[in-house]
Amino acid sequence: QQPVQSPQAVILREGEDAVINCSSSKALYSVHWYRQKHGEAPVFLMILLKGGEQKGHDKISASFNEKKQQSSLYLTASQLSYSGTYFCGTEMTGNNRKLIWGLGTSLAVNP
Amino acid sequence: NAGVMQNPRHLVRRRGQEARLRCSPMKGHSHVYWYRQLPEEGLKFMVYLQKENIIDESGMPKERFSAEFPKEGPSILRIQQVVRGDSAAYFCASSPRTAGSMNTEAFFGQGTRLTVV
Repeated sequence: QQPVQSPQAVILREGEDAVINCSSSKALYSVHWYRQKHGEAPVFLMILLKGGEQKGHDKISASFNEKKQQSSLYLTASQLSYSGTYFCGTEMTGNNRKLIWGLGTSLAVNP
Repeated sequence: NAGVMQNPRHLVRRRGQEARLRCSPMKGHSHVYWYRQLPEEGLKFMVYLQKENIIDESGMPKERFSAEFPKEGPSILRIQQVVRGDSAAYFCASSPRTAGSMNTEAFFGQGTRLTVV
């Protein structure tokens, strides 16, 4: 039931773009995206609730394709502060609302 | 409004001792989740509690681990007779309602890093 994140790791230069994918083998009710910096707590980025929903803040956005049972996180014109590990948490339909987390995608943005 | 408070931040225990991890949710939050994170790995769900109730403990090991969230006071994750494999970061998160429904985010504490020696 654990969602699969890809890629496992990304190295970017400042200003480059990246896409992180999160796929599930089960139908999804929602997808949550968090970023965690080393030694710190995960920090909320956004929740996507409906198929086709897209959200964004700053230069980070995400989409949720309900049919494909996947979500993608888009990081545009990356900044050094984007470095960290990105986790997607998925909530299955019919579940009792617990989030199952992927293993994370490590993103390093270099100057 | 203070965030989710976990203490202690670091805990060292000898094999066989007990570890008690505390989590005070944000004010007004009645839902608490506990997760375990091993180095370089993702968050593994352990247990989901509401005040005085365990809603889902499907991620908890069958033995030595227990959790509670009393009417008053913090949520406690208790690990009895710790072993080296219990060494990990334990995070708790709280939400005002079930995370995932009604567009609700969960707020994480800073975690407790347990080291078993």
